Order: sequence, then structure tokens, then C-alpha cells
Amino acid sequence: EIVMTQSPATLSVSPGERATLSCRASQSVSFNLAWYQQKPGQAPRLLIYGASNRATGVPATFSGSGSGTEFTLTISSLQSEDFAVYFCQHYNNWPPGYTFGQGTKLEIK
Amino acid sequence: QLQLQESGPGLVKPSETLSLTCTVSGASISSSSYYWGWIRQPPGKGLEWIGSIYYSGTTYYNPSLKSRVTISVDTSKNQFSLKLSSVTAADTAVYYCARRDSSEGYPTFDHWGQGTLVTVSS
Repeated sequence: EIVMTQSPATLSVSPGERATLSCRASQSVSFNLAWYQQKPGQAPRLLIYGASNRATGVPATFSGSGSGTEFTLTISSLQSEDFAVYFCQHYNNWPPGYTFGQGTKLEIK
Repeated sequence: QLQLQESGPGLVKPSETLSLTCTVSGASISSSSYYWGWIRQPPGKGLEWIGSIYYSGTTYYNPSLKSRVTISVDTSKNQFSLKLSSVTAADTAVYYCARRDSSEGYPTFDHWGQGTLVTVSS
């Protein structure tokens, strides 16, 4: 079973600054990595798929990078609405299944 | 506009079976392009995939829950359902239904229901 580990658990950043969130896989997942944003009381929202592709409607301030075991979600020039919890997710082809990281809480500094 | 809505009891007794239904509107659950899934989130914790189903009835489940989970689909009602048996307090969570899309080659959950809190307590 592939384990997804996110760091840090909590990240404090000031509005207008850049945030960099990490996700590490216990073994290579190629580019099969997605990122989700979750605000309090809401369902998760897909941000990035295939490690670096923005989902429909996601602003260009969000970018994903990486491959293999190391992945990064970067949010440039943080806005108030960007403060939330972010999860990475891997899809395993066989046996088919999905594994989420434990999440990174992005909070206002 | 695609919408998913979970429904079912918010309180289930220990050892009983949790039953939820997801009603899909704005799109056909019989589309060959998508799977449909259940994901849960214990209060204050992370996300756990429970299982997924295709309109034909093909299912696959999280191995850690497989012995207790059944997911079914009713294409005539545009719904799919979750049953989780022998529940304990550890099954208390917000349960989400979601659409799985892999049209870009990477399976992701691109549309989610609002979620429903299910508490296991006597």
C-alpha cells in the first residue's frame, strides 16, 4: 500500500505571500497525484490533477509540480479565500483505490 | 449543472448497518465516462476512500473496509447507495458521495456532494 505524507501539518503564511505545500509518496506514483482544497464545513474541491494540471475554474495562482515520489502545490500571492486545508491524493491502478494524504492546514500568519 | 446529494439517517446504533443514498441530478449516472464513489471524513481528520461503483454495477472497495461495505446503483432513480455493516464509534464521520472522472487520464473526484454527518452512538 502506498502511503502519502504531507508536510507541514500546519503552514502559517501572510496574505500576499507564497505558500509551498509538500506531498511525498512512499513509492513512485509517476504523475498520478491530485490536490484538493477543503474549507470549513465544505466538501473538498479538486484543484490539480496529473500532478500539474489545473482543474476547471481553478485560478492560475495555484500550480502543481513534481513526479515520482515528491510533489509540491504552490499558491502564489495568497488571498483570504485560499486559507483552507489541502489534501493530496493518489490513485492506484491495481488493486484500484485512492489514498489521501493527512492534509496541510494553511492558516493566516 | 451536476449535483450530488447524500441522504440517510444521521444517527446509527453500534453494531447496526449504516445506509446512505446519493442522488445525482444534472447528469446521467449511466454515463460510460464516470465511476461514482463514497469517501468519508471523521471529525477533524483526513479523507478515507470507501469504495466506487460503475453504472453496470462493477464495484471496488477499500480493502480495510471491504468485509463490511456494499455499494449498489439504481440507474432508474439516478442514485447509488452505501451500506456499512457492524458499525462502531470509529465509523462516525461525514460521508461524501462524489463523481470520479478519468477523462484526462488521471482518476480524480471532480464533483462532490455536500456531505452528511453520521454519528454512531447508542
